[in-house]
Amino acid sequence: QSVLTQPPSASGTPGQRVTISCSGSSSNIGSNAVNWYQQFPGTAPKLLIYNNYQRPSGVPDRFSGSKSGTSASLAISGLQSDDEADYSCAAWDDSLNGYVFGTETKVTVL
Amino acid sequence: DVQLVESGGGLAQPGGSLRLSCAASGFTFSSYSMNWVRQAPGKGLEWVSKISSSSTTIYYADSVKGRFTISRDKAKNSLFLQMNSLRDEDTAVYYCARESGSYSGIDYWGQGALVAVSS
Repeated sequence: QSVLTQPPSASGTPGQRVTISCSGSSSNIGSNAVNWYQQFPGTAPKLLIYNNYQRPSGVPDRFSGSKSGTSASLAISGLQSDDEADYSCAAWDDSLNGYVFGTETKVTVL
Repeated sequence: DVQLVESGGGLAQPGGSLRLSCAASGFTFSSYSMNWVRQAPGKGLEWVSKISSSSTTIYYADSVKGRFTISRDKAKNSLFLQMNSLRDEDTAVYYCARESGSYSGIDYWGQGALVAVSS
């Protein structure tokens, strides 16, 4: 059961900037760090952004994250064809005592 | 390199049982909390359970509470998920996932094990 709300899809042409929103509540995003994951079909998720805006080693700086209140967002600038994937946000929920994930956004490069 | 390798998936009948294992390597397993996360076909990620590094704290999603049991073996660097009273809706790819030691969140994932529940 997804508790964080994301748009089902987002798209752009190569080189454009795409933004994905993630809406939660005071018990999850409002209280804890947000992480973003990238997932290609048939493969495991990969950490893309951690601690709201930090990038793991090897993740291009075209990917950026931000958080404000009970919402977060992921931006992909300079969109490339190999950015076509599913993207999910996640945060710990203090009320549920568990991780909650977003409803997943499929990014398409036109 | 951090490696998480799941095994034990397969086909089970409704009401049946399966036990998933996750072999961890490339890091000090006993120092990290571990999780199971699942993904039903065509659906998003769903957190299932978490166990602390010392096994003293365990959490479950409401959807599996009372049916699934998470455990770990420090000597074998392994994580387990005992799944009983399986239901059709438990059909999913199950991922073993490490929780970061320095921030709130999952940082590494296994390749996943498919569990199919069907009569």
